Amino acid sequence: DAKTTQPPSMDCAEGRAANLPCNHSTISGNEYVYWYRQIHSQGPQYIIHGLKNNETNEMASLIITEDRKSSTLILPHATLRDTAVYYCIVLITAGNKLTFGGGTRVLVKP
Amino acid sequence: DAGVTQSPTHLIKTRGQQVTLRCSPISGHKSVSWYQQVLGQGPQFIFQYYEKEERGRGNFPDRFSARQFPNYSSELNVNALLLGDSALYLCASSLDRALSTDTQYFGPGTRLTVL
Repeated sequence: DAKTTQPPSMDCAEGRAANLPCNHSTISGNEYVYWYRQIHSQGPQYIIHGLKNNETNEMASLIITEDRKSSTLILPHATLRDTAVYYCIVLITAGNKLTFGGGTRVLVKP
Repeated sequence: DAGVTQSPTHLIKTRGQQVTLRCSPISGHKSVSWYQQVLGQGPQFIFQYYEKEERGRGNFPDRFSARQFPNYSSELNVNALLLGDSALYLCASSLDRALSTDTQYFGPGTRLTVL
Protein backbone atom coordinates (compact mmCIF):
# COMPACT_ATOMS: atom_id res chain seq x y z
CA ASP A 1 0.00 0.00 0.00
CA ALA A 2 1.22 3.48 -0.83
CA LYS A 3 2.50 5.73 1.94
CA THR A 4 0.78 8.96 2.85
CA THR A 5 2.05 12.27 4.20
CA GLN A 6 -0.11 14.57 6.30
CA PRO A 7 0.63 17.72 8.29
CA PRO A 8 0.88 16.82 12.00
CA SER A 9 -1.62 19.41 13.15
CA MET A 10 -3.89 22.24 12.11
CA ASP A 11 -6.38 24.61 13.68
CA CYS A 12 -9.74 25.57 12.28
CA ALA A 13 -12.34 28.13 13.30
CA GLU A 14 -15.76 26.84 14.22
CA GLY A 15 -18.21 27.27 11.35
CA ARG A 16 -15.50 27.57 8.75
CA ALA A 17 -14.45 24.91 6.24
CA ALA A 18 -11.54 22.69 7.22
CA ASN A 19 -9.30 21.54 4.38
CA LEU A 20 -7.08 18.60 5.27
CA PRO A 21 -4.36 17.75 2.73
CA CYS A 22 -2.80 14.35 2.09
CA ASN A 23 0.04 13.44 -0.24
CA HIS A 24 0.19 9.94 -1.72
CA SER A 25 2.59 10.32 -4.63
CA THR A 26 3.25 6.57 -5.00
CA ILE A 27 -0.39 5.59 -5.26
CA SER A 28 -1.20 2.86 -7.76
CA GLY A 29 -4.07 2.88 -10.20
CA ASN A 30 -6.15 0.40 -8.23
CA GLU A 31 -5.60 1.94 -4.79
CA TYR A 32 -8.32 3.84 -3.00
CA VAL A 33 -7.96 6.84 -0.71
CA TYR A 34 -9.73 6.38 2.62
CA TRP A 35 -10.23 8.86 5.42
CA TYR A 36 -10.91 7.98 9.03
CA ARG A 37 -10.97 10.13 12.12
CA GLN A 38 -10.46 9.30 15.75
CA ILE A 39 -11.93 11.36 18.50
CA HIS A 40 -10.01 11.07 21.74
CA SER A 41 -10.01 7.52 23.15
CA GLN A 42 -12.71 6.30 20.76
CA GLY A 43 -12.48 3.86 17.87
CA PRO A 44 -11.64 5.30 14.43
CA GLN A 45 -14.67 6.48 12.49
CA TYR A 46 -14.97 5.99 8.75
CA ILE A 47 -15.52 9.27 6.90
CA ILE A 48 -15.26 8.79 3.15
CA HIS A 49 -13.29 7.10 0.40
CA GLY A 50 -12.65 7.51 -3.31
CA LEU A 51 -10.72 6.16 -6.27
CA LYS A 52 -10.34 9.04 -8.71
CA ASN A 53 -13.59 10.99 -8.74
CA ASN A 54 -14.50 13.55 -6.15
CA GLU A 55 -16.85 12.19 -3.51
CA THR A 56 -19.29 13.79 -1.09
CA ASN A 57 -21.37 12.42 1.73
CA GLU A 58 -23.13 13.82 4.76
CA MET A 59 -19.88 14.18 6.66
CA ALA A 60 -17.37 15.51 4.19
CA SER A 61 -16.13 15.94 0.64
CA LEU A 62 -13.07 14.28 -0.86
CA ILE A 63 -11.20 15.99 -3.64
CA ILE A 64 -8.61 13.85 -5.46
CA THR A 65 -6.23 15.53 -7.92
CA GLU A 66 -6.27 14.39 -11.50
CA ASP A 67 -2.87 12.67 -11.17
CA ARG A 68 -4.14 11.09 -7.90
CA LYS A 69 -0.94 12.01 -6.09
CA SER A 70 -2.74 14.06 -3.49
CA SER A 71 -6.16 14.60 -2.01
CA THR A 72 -8.01 16.97 0.28
CA LEU A 73 -10.68 16.16 2.82
CA ILE A 74 -13.09 19.03 3.29
CA LEU A 75 -15.25 19.43 6.37
CA PRO A 76 -17.64 22.11 5.11
CA HIS A 77 -18.70 23.66 8.41
CA ALA A 78 -16.42 22.55 11.21
CA THR A 79 -17.89 22.17 14.68
CA LEU A 80 -16.18 21.64 18.01
CA ARG A 81 -17.14 17.96 17.75
CA ASP A 82 -14.93 17.65 14.66
CA THR A 83 -11.84 18.01 16.86
CA ALA A 84 -10.02 14.73 16.25
CA VAL A 85 -7.05 13.04 14.58
CA TYR A 86 -7.72 12.55 10.89
CA TYR A 87 -6.03 9.69 9.04
CA CYS A 88 -5.54 9.44 5.30
CA ILE A 89 -4.97 5.84 4.19
CA VAL A 90 -4.28 4.39 0.75
CA LEU A 91 -4.99 0.75 0.02
CA ILE A 92 -6.25 -1.61 -2.62
CA THR A 93 -9.23 -2.76 -0.68
CA ALA A 94 -10.37 -1.77 2.75
CA GLY A 95 -10.93 -5.43 3.46
CA ASN A 96 -7.19 -5.67 3.86
CA LYS A 97 -5.29 -4.24 6.76
CA LEU A 98 -5.38 -0.53 7.36
CA THR A 99 -1.97 1.09 7.82
CA PHE A 100 -2.36 4.18 9.97
CA GLY A 101 0.28 6.90 9.82
CA GLY A 102 0.56 9.81 12.20
CA GLY A 103 -2.53 11.57 10.94
CA THR A 104 -3.42 15.25 11.32
CA ARG A 105 -4.53 16.49 14.70
CA VAL A 106 -7.31 18.99 14.00
CA LEU A 107 -8.38 21.43 16.68
CA VAL A 108 -11.59 23.33 16.01
CA LYS A 109 -11.64 26.56 17.98
CA PRO A 110 -14.69 28.65 18.91
CA ASP B 1 -28.45 -1.65 13.54
CA ALA B 2 -25.91 -2.05 16.28
CA GLY B 3 -22.34 -1.23 15.43
CA VAL B 4 -19.28 -3.23 16.36
CA THR B 5 -19.31 -4.06 20.05
CA GLN B 6 -16.36 -4.96 22.26
CA SER B 7 -16.04 -6.22 25.77
CA PRO B 8 -14.89 -5.46 28.31
CA THR B 9 -14.51 -1.69 28.08
CA HIS B 10 -11.62 -1.54 30.47
CA LEU B 11 -9.36 -4.18 31.92
CA ILE B 12 -6.49 -4.16 34.38
CA LYS B 13 -4.07 -7.09 34.52
CA THR B 14 -0.65 -7.76 35.98
CA ARG B 15 2.47 -8.85 34.16
CA GLY B 16 2.50 -12.51 33.20
CA GLN B 17 -1.26 -12.89 33.20
CA GLN B 18 -3.41 -13.79 30.22
CA VAL B 19 -6.29 -11.78 28.80
CA THR B 20 -9.18 -12.43 26.41
CA LEU B 21 -10.90 -9.62 24.57
CA ARG B 22 -14.17 -10.07 22.70
CA CYS B 23 -15.68 -8.52 19.61
CA SER B 24 -19.06 -8.79 17.91
CA PRO B 25 -19.13 -7.53 14.34
CA ILE B 26 -21.90 -5.63 12.64
CA SER B 27 -24.69 -7.99 11.64
CA GLY B 28 -23.91 -9.56 8.29
CA HIS B 29 -20.21 -8.75 8.40
CA LYS B 30 -17.97 -11.78 7.98
CA SER B 31 -14.53 -10.25 8.43
CA VAL B 32 -13.03 -9.12 11.72
CA SER B 33 -9.71 -7.37 12.22
CA TRP B 34 -7.84 -6.54 15.41
CA TYR B 35 -5.64 -3.50 15.99
CA GLN B 36 -3.47 -2.33 18.86
CA GLN B 37 -3.15 1.37 19.60
CA VAL B 38 -0.48 2.42 22.02
CA LEU B 39 -0.91 5.87 23.54
CA GLY B 40 0.14 8.61 21.13
CA GLN B 41 0.37 6.37 18.07
CA GLY B 42 -1.94 5.23 15.29
CA PRO B 43 -3.55 1.79 15.40
CA GLN B 44 -1.34 -1.13 14.37
CA PHE B 45 -2.77 -4.17 12.59
CA ILE B 46 -2.64 -7.45 14.53
CA PHE B 47 -4.92 -9.97 12.82
CA GLN B 48 -7.63 -10.36 10.24
CA TYR B 49 -10.12 -13.22 10.22
CA TYR B 50 -12.54 -14.03 7.47
CA GLU B 51 -14.96 -16.93 7.49
CA LYS B 52 -13.25 -18.26 10.63
CA GLU B 53 -9.82 -18.42 9.04
CA GLU B 54 -6.82 -16.20 9.66
CA ARG B 55 -6.24 -14.16 6.52
CA GLY B 56 -3.63 -11.71 7.72
CA ARG B 57 -1.23 -11.17 10.58
CA GLY B 58 0.77 -8.16 11.61
CA ASN B 59 4.20 -8.02 13.23
CA PHE B 60 3.20 -9.26 16.68
CA PRO B 61 4.70 -12.09 18.77
CA ASP B 62 3.11 -15.50 19.16
CA ARG B 63 1.77 -14.43 22.54
CA PHE B 64 -1.01 -12.86 20.53
CA SER B 65 -3.63 -15.19 19.09
CA ALA B 66 -7.20 -14.89 17.91
CA ARG B 67 -10.08 -16.89 16.60
CA GLN B 68 -13.40 -16.33 14.92
CA PHE B 69 -16.55 -18.22 15.75
CA PRO B 70 -19.33 -19.50 13.46
CA ASN B 71 -21.43 -16.43 14.30
CA TYR B 72 -18.43 -14.30 13.14
CA SER B 73 -17.69 -12.93 16.59
CA SER B 74 -14.04 -13.00 17.56
CA GLU B 75 -11.70 -13.24 20.51
CA LEU B 76 -8.20 -11.87 20.89
CA ASN B 77 -5.98 -13.62 23.42
CA VAL B 78 -2.73 -12.29 24.79
CA ASN B 79 -0.57 -14.51 26.96
CA ALA B 80 2.26 -13.63 29.32
CA LEU B 81 1.33 -9.98 29.43
CA LEU B 82 4.06 -7.36 29.37
CA LEU B 83 3.87 -3.75 30.46
CA GLY B 84 4.18 -2.79 26.79
CA ASP B 85 0.93 -4.56 25.99
CA SER B 86 -0.92 -1.73 27.68
CA ALA B 87 -2.97 -0.20 24.87
CA LEU B 88 -6.36 0.34 23.35
CA TYR B 89 -7.36 -2.80 21.45
CA LEU B 90 -9.66 -2.12 18.56
CA CYS B 91 -11.84 -4.48 16.59
CA ALA B 92 -13.11 -3.66 13.11
CA SER B 93 -15.57 -5.53 10.94
CA SER B 94 -16.27 -5.51 7.23
CA LEU B 95 -18.59 -7.36 4.92
CA ASP B 96 -16.12 -9.23 2.78
CA ARG B 97 -12.35 -8.68 2.62
CA ALA B 98 -12.28 -9.30 -1.11
CA LEU B 99 -14.62 -6.48 -2.07
CA SER B 100 -12.77 -3.56 -3.60
CA THR B 101 -14.93 -0.97 -1.91
CA ASP B 102 -15.40 -2.74 1.40
CA THR B 103 -15.04 -0.55 4.47
CA GLN B 104 -13.92 -1.44 7.97
CA TYR B 105 -16.01 -0.15 10.85
CA PHE B 106 -14.44 0.07 14.26
CA GLY B 107 -15.72 -0.68 17.71
CA PRO B 108 -15.10 1.53 20.75
CA GLY B 109 -12.12 -0.54 21.85
CA THR B 110 -10.98 -2.23 25.03
CA ARG B 111 -8.52 -0.31 27.19
CA LEU B 112 -6.01 -2.78 28.64
CA THR B 113 -3.70 -1.68 31.43
CA VAL B 114 -0.90 -4.01 32.49
CA LEU B 115 0.64 -3.29 35.89
